[in-house]
Amino acid sequence: EVQLLESGGDLVQPGGSLRLSCAASGFTFSNYVMSWVRQAPGKGLEWVSTISGNSGTTYYTDSVKGRFTISRDNSKNTLYLQMNSLRAEDTAVYYCTKYLGSCSGGSCPRWFDPWGQGTLVTVSS
Amino acid sequence: DIQMTQSPSSVSASVGDRVTITCRASQDISSWLAWYQQKPGKAPKLLIYAASSLQSGVPSRFSGSGSGTDFTLTISSLQPEDFATYYCQQANSFPLTFGGGTRVEIK
Repeated sequence: EVQLLESGGDLVQPGGSLRLSCAASGFTFSNYVMSWVRQAPGKGLEWVSTISGNSGTTYYTDSVKGRFTISRDNSKNTLYLQMNSLRAEDTAVYYCTKYLGSCSGGSCPRWFDPWGQGTLVTVSS
Repeated sequence: DIQMTQSPSSVSASVGDRVTITCRASQDISSWLAWYQQKPGKAPKLLIYAASSLQSGVPSRFSGSGSGTDFTLTISSLQPEDFATYYCQQANSFPLTFGGGTRVEIK
């Protein structure tokens, strides 16, 4: 069974830093593109960042570029999100998720399945 | 960026009703569209991908259709466990974007 377990969410002051982790199991982690998606309280879903299986390619939503860094350790089956210069608008539940399938011939199935249970990041003084 | 617009934002329906939710993309995304279901306090769950492919384990009362810019999620006979919020997502290009959500409520 595929499992994704996030951790690291906390209350942090504006301007502070936090690192989220996502422990993966039940699949060959290195073969899959991984992503972070967030959801502010009472709001909709927002894609944050994506990383390829070999860490060679990363993508970010504009609002976090230069502040957040996605990374992975395939030897530990773990995905990370380093978040710096945090703002109040970063307050959200952060979900770890994987692409439904592996990429093939340059085409990637950018559908998210499954999702972890989420970890709450609160940015407030 | 591709904007995804869902309608309605909420719908009240009864068990057994047919429910249709629409999603419109701001540009042609071919069939690069997914639908998710989210219940309160839970993570989203993939229902439909590639506009019309049913994810494994999802009941057949859920179906998706459309291509280009206009898409539809249909629940053929609403069940008690289907009361939730539904999101569409375009997978055509980065940044990946979601619709604003449609809340399906009990009438």
